[in-house]
Amino acid sequence: EIVLTQSPGTLSLSPGERATLSCRASQSVSGSYLAWYQQKPGQAPRLLIYGASTRATGIPDRFSGSGSGTDFTLTISRLEPEDFAVYYCQQYGSSPTFGPGTKVDIK
Amino acid sequence: QVQLQESGPGLVKPSQTLSLTCTVSGGSISSGSYYWSWVRQPAGKGLEWIGRVYGSGNTNYNSSLKSRVTISIDTSKNQFSLKLNSVTAADTAVYYCARVVWQSRHFDYWGQGTLVTVSS
Repeated sequence: EIVLTQSPGTLSLSPGERATLSCRASQSVSGSYLAWYQQKPGQAPRLLIYGASTRATGIPDRFSGSGSGTDFTLTISRLEPEDFAVYYCQQYGSSPTFGPGTKVDIK
Repeated sequence: QVQLQESGPGLVKPSQTLSLTCTVSGGSISSGSYYWSWVRQPAGKGLEWIGRVYGSGNTNYNSSLKSRVTISIDTSKNQFSLKLNSVTAADTAVYYCARVVWQSRHFDYWGQGTLVTVSS
């Protein structure tokens, strides 16, 4: 099973700042099978990025994904008030796994 | 617009079987472009994949739950279901059903989630 590690655990930033979230895999992940989700309290996860770098339908262009192999990054270029949430990475090799999440909260 | 909706009891007694159904609307559950999964999330914790079912009925399960899980599909009703037997308090969680895109293996549509509490 591929284990995903996300860092930092919590990121405290102000609106307008840039957020950089990291996802590291215990073994190489096909770039096609790495996705990012946003989750707000009481809500289901929402797909942001798939294929490591493709934005899902309706996702603003301030969200971008990059990376390959074992190291992937989600960047939010300028935080909007609605972006404060928990972010999960997910890989789908033989069996899908999720990272533990990064909480982006307001500084 | 595809929508998924979980349904089932919100309270299950220890040692009994948790049963949930996911009803899919806005698209056919038989489409070969997708498969269908269950994911759970204990309060304040992360996401755990439970298993998946294809339109053909083939299934795959998380190895940590495999001995207790059954996922099935009913294409005539556009539904798929989860059964988890011998539940304990550790199975208390919000349970989500979700659609997975076959080509890129991401979860593109999710149900709203349903809280299942295991308690006597």
